[in-house]
Amino acid sequence: RKEVEQDPGPFNVPEGATVAFNCTYSNSASQSFFWYRQDCRKEPKLLMSVYSSGNEDGRFTAQLNRASQYISLLIRDSKLSDSATYLCVVNGDTGKLIFGQGTTLQVKP
Amino acid sequence: EAQVTQNPRYLITVTGKKLTVTCSQNMNHEYMSWYRQDPGLGLRQIYYSMNVEVTDKGDVPEGYKVSRKEKRNFPLILESPSPNQTSLYFCASRNLGMTGEQYFGPGTRLTVT
Repeated sequence: RKEVEQDPGPFNVPEGATVAFNCTYSNSASQSFFWYRQDCRKEPKLLMSVYSSGNEDGRFTAQLNRASQYISLLIRDSKLSDSATYLCVVNGDTGKLIFGQGTTLQVKP
Repeated sequence: EAQVTQNPRYLITVTGKKLTVTCSQNMNHEYMSWYRQDPGLGLRQIYYSMNVEVTDKGDVPEGYKVSRKEKRNFPLILESPSPNQTSLYFCASRNLGMTGEQYFGPGTRLTVT
């Protein structure tokens, strides 16, 4: 089983749609969780950290479910500019960050 | 401006010709690492360093070397590149501790023929 698993997609949605991605992780001792965004052939950049209480940043909401070991990202009112690959990231042993393969989102006009 | 820089950005080389990809960060971060990214495999860590003169293997270290003589620099060395090392490489840095944002360099696209 992979340490961090994501559905690679692609998710094709129309502008204005709400879309949600899930990610599962295997290490129950993980303490830090993130979503990174990666545009085609560019470097990943932090989108948001994921806190136990959940957090929201504009149209983006992240949730953590420790009991089921998954985190989610919800994007409301999708924009064309949201098209990218979204990487789920979890800290592993020795502080290493473990990246999922990413979920590709394509927002269509 | 806080950043991680990598050079070169693109490189085409031949099998067996030693090469070095440089990485430098200006944020005084303790932790630096190298990743390779391949289609369907995601980001895989090659090597990491928690501080000067402290380096350790990641998940895919074979065929690579690194050094950390200064805090800001973390070069990746391919002593004898092979075609299976054709990939997109990213250098990254962050503070130690589990909550810090990790900053990535712009990437180096390497092709080994």
